[in-house]
Amino acid sequence: EIVLTQSPATLSLSPGERATLSCRASQSVSSSLAWYQQKPGQAPRLLIYDASNRATGIPARFSGTGSGTDFTLTISSLEPEDFAVYYCQQGLTFGGGTKVEIK
Amino acid sequence: QVQLRESGPGLVKPSQTLSLTCTVSGGSISSNTYFWGWIRQPAGKGLEWIGRIYNSGSTNYNPSLKSRVTISVDTSKNQFSLKLSSVTAADTAIYYCARVLRFHNQALDPWGQGTLVTVSS
Repeated sequence: EIVLTQSPATLSLSPGERATLSCRASQSVSSSLAWYQQKPGQAPRLLIYDASNRATGIPARFSGTGSGTDFTLTISSLEPEDFAVYYCQQGLTFGGGTKVEIK
Repeated sequence: QVQLRESGPGLVKPSQTLSLTCTVSGGSISSNTYFWGWIRQPAGKGLEWIGRIYNSGSTNYNPSLKSRVTISVDTSKNQFSLKLSSVTAADTAIYYCARVLRFHNQALDPWGQGTLVTVSS
């Protein structure tokens, strides 16, 4: 069973700053990784699929990179609406999440 | 665009069976491009896959829940359903249904709004 480890658990940043979120798989998953954003009281929203492809309607400030076991979600310049929890997912497994909070 | 909506009882007694239905609108559940899945999230915690189903009825379940889970599909109603038996307080969570992108490594898009199910006597 693949385990996904997200780091850090919490990221404290200011609007306009760059956010870098990590997801590490316990074994190679090729490019089989998705990223989601979840705001309080809302369902998760797909941001990135196949490690680096933005889903429909997702702003260009969101980008995904990586393959094998190490993946990164980057938000180039944080907007106020980007403060949320982010999850990675591979197959039937989710990571534990990273909370991006306002510093 | 396709939308999903969960429905079912919000309160289930311990040891009973939780039953939820997901209604798909704006698209066909019979499409060969997608699976259909259930995910849950206890309050304040992370996401947990429950399982997924194809329009043929073929299923895959989370091994940790497999003995208690049944997912079925009704293509005539454009719906799929979840049954979770012998529930305990640990099954209290928001339950989401979602479309699974079969050819994109099972990414989930879109999701339903979710429904809170509480297990309590």
